Amino acid sequence: GQQLNQSPQSMFIQEGEDVSMNCTSSSIFNTWLWYKQDPGEGPVLLIALYKAGELTSNGRLTAQFGITRKDSFLNISASIPSDVGIYFCAGQKSRAGANNLFFGTGTRLTVIP
Amino acid sequence: NAGVMQNPRHLVRRRGQEARLRCSPMKGHSHVYWYRQLPEEGLKFMVYLQKENIIDESGMPKERFSAEFPKEGPSILRIQQVVRGDSAAYFCASSPTVATNEKLFFGSGTQLSVL
Repeated sequence: GQQLNQSPQSMFIQEGEDVSMNCTSSSIFNTWLWYKQDPGEGPVLLIALYKAGELTSNGRLTAQFGITRKDSFLNISASIPSDVGIYFCAGQKSRAGANNLFFGTGTRLTVIP
Repeated sequence: NAGVMQNPRHLVRRRGQEARLRCSPMKGHSHVYWYRQLPEEGLKFMVYLQKENIIDESGMPKERFSAEFPKEGPSILRIQQVVRGDSAAYFCASSPTVATNEKLFFGSGTQLSVL
């Protein structure tokens, strides 16, 4: 299967700090997605990226689709306690469809009030 | 409009028993996807169904696992003769059509524990 590596694996930050995490792959993807998973819940889509180089924001979240199409990063500005959770990247190759989604290993974020 | 409903939330089985996991998609969604998440890992695709048809089962183990999505009722993921390695969270997602990342919604999952 496809290997998507996320770093860091976990982060502990103070409330109000900015957060940066990334996702890399040895394969090219045509779509990059970022999800957040709260404990005991399913993932929720945060941002979808469809073009290499694309930079997209959703409130305090900003994500970029790497030029090489093998990486993506997610930034969270001015973190708040409800940002706690696990953040997953996911990539899709040439064929769209949720059966062609490959998920990363996740970054676990803890925000200290 | 209720979201994707999965039940049970938690399921405990002994080795050798059968596990049946249910997923009711969102209203108006006819495409269902099942994923498995092992501890500390991301979700891995198992099977994709559209009413009464299996479209893609490339992620499904060849033995003991089966899935269905009947004309009436929820989608069922069935695991026969469970083993300890089957312990995981199983998530279902649904969408109204095929290529719609923004309209793909996940359920809260079923945590399967095999003793």
